Amino acid sequence: AQSVTQLGSHVSVSEGALVLLRCNYSSSVPPYLFWYVQYPNQGLQLLLKYTSAATLVKGINGFEAEFKKSETSFHLTKPSAHMSDAAEYFCAVWGVADMRFGAGTRLTVKP
Amino acid sequence: AAGVIQSPRHLIKEKRETATLKCYPIPRHDTVYWYQQGPGQDPQFLISFYEKMQSDKGSIPDRFSAQQFSDYHSELNMSSLELGDSALYFCASSYRTQGSEQYFGPGTRLTVT
Repeated sequence: AQSVTQLGSHVSVSEGALVLLRCNYSSSVPPYLFWYVQYPNQGLQLLLKYTSAATLVKGINGFEAEFKKSETSFHLTKPSAHMSDAAEYFCAVWGVADMRFGAGTRLTVKP
Repeated sequence: AAGVIQSPRHLIKEKRETATLKCYPIPRHDTVYWYQQGPGQDPQFLISFYEKMQSDKGSIPDRFSAQQFSDYHSELNMSSLELGDSALYFCASSYRTQGSEQYFGPGTRLTVT
């Protein structure tokens, strides 16, 4: 069965620093992978999606993720953190009939 | 662009009461999903509908039921509410294509007292 594991429940970076949020997947078939962001008291917003067309996927708000089959990873990065990036980030994989989410990583951005 | 609409946004109920949550998917999306997100938890899949028919079931309690109507809106009915049902309930919609991204509504925060 498809699943994802997010490494690190909390990540703290300084404003302007590199953001790296880690996600590893488990899938018996080529996976469809997603990153969502959730701001406090809001729904989940799609950041980006991997569908095998390209291993480097660019998303909204300057985020991108690279699919590495050899490492079964789909880490999310952003070159320079902004205060507005502070939120909860969820990695997800398309399961048989539903979206399977990781436990989430809370990103804190320090001024 | 039109987004997923959920109502109400907040709901307070007492134990053993019933609650009905409504979801209006993005126009032309044929699949609706319901998720429950407890405090500090990731969203857990409850149930989905494709073209108004129940498609798949996840960890939905027997006390809960859902349906999708002819206009594609969906309702999640929750009976005999328990304190542990307090959570954010999200509706999402998508096209039925495998791997299609799901678009989430803002959620309904249910508090059971």
